[in-house]
Amino acid sequence: EPEVTQTPSHQVTQMGQEVILRCVPISNHLYFYWYRQILGQKVEFLVSFYNNEISEKSEIFDDQFSVERPDGSNFTLKIRSTKLEDSAMYFCASTLNSPLHFGNGTRLTVT
Amino acid sequence: AQRVTQPEKLLSVFKGAPVELKCNYSYSGSPELFWYVQYSRQRLQLLLRHISRESIKGFTADLNKGETSFHLKKPFAQEEDSAMYYCALSEGTGGFKTIFGAGTRLFVKA
Repeated sequence: EPEVTQTPSHQVTQMGQEVILRCVPISNHLYFYWYRQILGQKVEFLVSFYNNEISEKSEIFDDQFSVERPDGSNFTLKIRSTKLEDSAMYFCASTLNSPLHFGNGTRLTVT
Repeated sequence: AQRVTQPEKLLSVFKGAPVELKCNYSYSGSPELFWYVQYSRQRLQLLLRHISRESIKGFTADLNKGETSFHLKKPFAQEEDSAMYYCALSEGTGGFKTIFGAGTRLFVKA
């Protein structure tokens, strides 16, 4: 069964550095998402992406965040200047219609 | 605004006991409701959705629009049911965002 894959599984970065989290959605899916989960808190919606543009974003998804689908397979989340409070598990998800299929997540630690 | 509430952070039951994980939602339209599960060291995955009206791994959930609830039930819990359970809501199919409740950790004791 096809799966959403995310790399790396764990990323450690210093405050102020840029990070790029990578995802390969399931190949025939049309809608792509990023979610995050701060330790002990709920899974929060960040952004949805369809037809090569953002379809919806949350208040969390400020100017420090950006998403891109640079080719036909990858879907990336960039954080331009990381803050301590960006430390979280970041999940990529994709769907053809409904429901969501999730990756294993990238644990981002900002020191 | 959409909201999903799971009042219990932790639910601990003995093997063979009935289980009910509570979920209430607020949404003015007709949402699509889901239960997702995350077993230890595994990815978040769909358990069931209200429109399917099916039982998965012995679990069922009925959408009660009057009470705006979508509680997850299983008559006889098994140890392998121990996991994190998330109730979730989407405005519909076709790429709408899905929002999640805070989750309930189910622990089934031998």
